[in-house]
Parts: sequence; C-alpha cells; structure tokens
Amino acid sequence: DAGVTQSPTHLIKTRGQHVTLRCSPISGHKSVSWYQQVLGQGPQFIFQYYEKEERGRGNFPDRFSARQFPNYSSELNVNALLLGDSALYLCASSLREPRETQYFGPGTRLLVL
Amino acid sequence: QQQVKQSPQSLIVQKGGISIINCAYENTAFDYFPWYQQFPGKGPALLIAIRPDVSEKKEGRFTISFNKSAKQFSLHIMDSQPGDSATYFCAANYLLSNSNSGYALNFGKGTSLLVTP
Repeated sequence: DAGVTQSPTHLIKTRGQHVTLRCSPISGHKSVSWYQQVLGQGPQFIFQYYEKEERGRGNFPDRFSARQFPNYSSELNVNALLLGDSALYLCASSLREPRETQYFGPGTRLLVL
Repeated sequence: QQQVKQSPQSLIVQKGGISIINCAYENTAFDYFPWYQQFPGKGPALLIAIRPDVSEKKEGRFTISFNKSAKQFSLHIMDSQPGDSATYFCAANYLLSNSNSGYALNFGKGTSLLVTP
C-alpha cells in the first residue's frame, strides 16, 4: 500500500509570496496533521484535521491555514512568506481518531529567498 | 508548550554495540510515546511505540523501556548496525488545549546516531 504522499517535493519561493502544499493520506486514513521541521530540530505541530473538521491548531501565525477535502486529502497554505518559513513541511495521517498512531510522509522542502 | 527532553544530542557507537537514547517528560497527561527514525531528506518513520501502562516493549533489535514514576523512557538499539545511522526522535502524544479534541505529537530535539563499522 502507498504511504502518505506529498507534493511538491521541493519548492523555492521569495519573501511575500504564497505557497500551497498538498498531502494525500494513507488509503482509509481519515485524520491528517501538518508539522513544520526546521533544520536540526524536531517537527512542530501546525494543524490537525479529522473528517474535514479542524481539530487542533499549533502556535503558528494566521498566515498559516489548511483544509481537508472530502477524499481526506489536505492542503496547507502559507501567505506572505518569510525567510523563517524555510523548512521541511511534513504531513502525517492516522487511521481514525487523531489520537492514533501518526504516519509521516516524505515532506515538502520549502526554501524562501 | 509541553516539553519532551531528549539526550544525548549525538551518539557514536561501534557496530554490534548498544545504542541508548533517553527522553524525559513533564506532563502526566501524555498517553502515547512513539519513537521515529529519520534519514536525511526523508520524513520520520515510526520505529516503535509504547503506552504508559507497559514498562517495556521489544520489536526485533529495538526496545523501549518506560518508567512512569520517573517520567522517563528510553530507546535501546541492540547489535547496532551502520544502517541504523540516522536521527532518532522521541515523542509524546497529548490532547490539545482549546481544541476540538485534537491530539498532537510533541517531539524531542533528536539524537544523531552514527554507527561505525
């Protein structure tokens, strides 16, 4: 079975631009979470969605937004990009409840110049 | 923010040796403790996980030891191999405050493991 897939794999943007990252969960998984991983650090929680509803939000500015679609795929949007947004953005899915084991995708590497 | 403290930051072990990584937490509401392995340029891969009602869990060469009273848990990699060289993260699952029953993983800062031939 395919794991969590994310697109694009790499992305280069300039300050002030907008970016959309996409995630497809493992087939049958209904919960999707987004994390930001800065180089040399552990992932930091951004959002969690379950059954298309936002279940939780981490300590990130309103420039970050997300949504989950009826097929359980998800998008993360970041507006007005800053240099500090450069990171690996990870999507994780879990089978049913958000409390369950989370499986991560390969991530999208975002570089903001 | 909920804290998970991980040590050491880096570790060098000879092939065949035992690698030990330790984590400590503060919040007793944490109820699930996974370990992830991450190779450069890749996403974290679930290695092994434990719940606080169990003191030890073993899967192949990987063992988690859990001490609920001390609020500590550790990963032991037996017979370490060069292919185990990666960054390891401990994490704890917690219920988000002010959320709609959401849960999030709080990660340690990671341990870079190098297994020498």
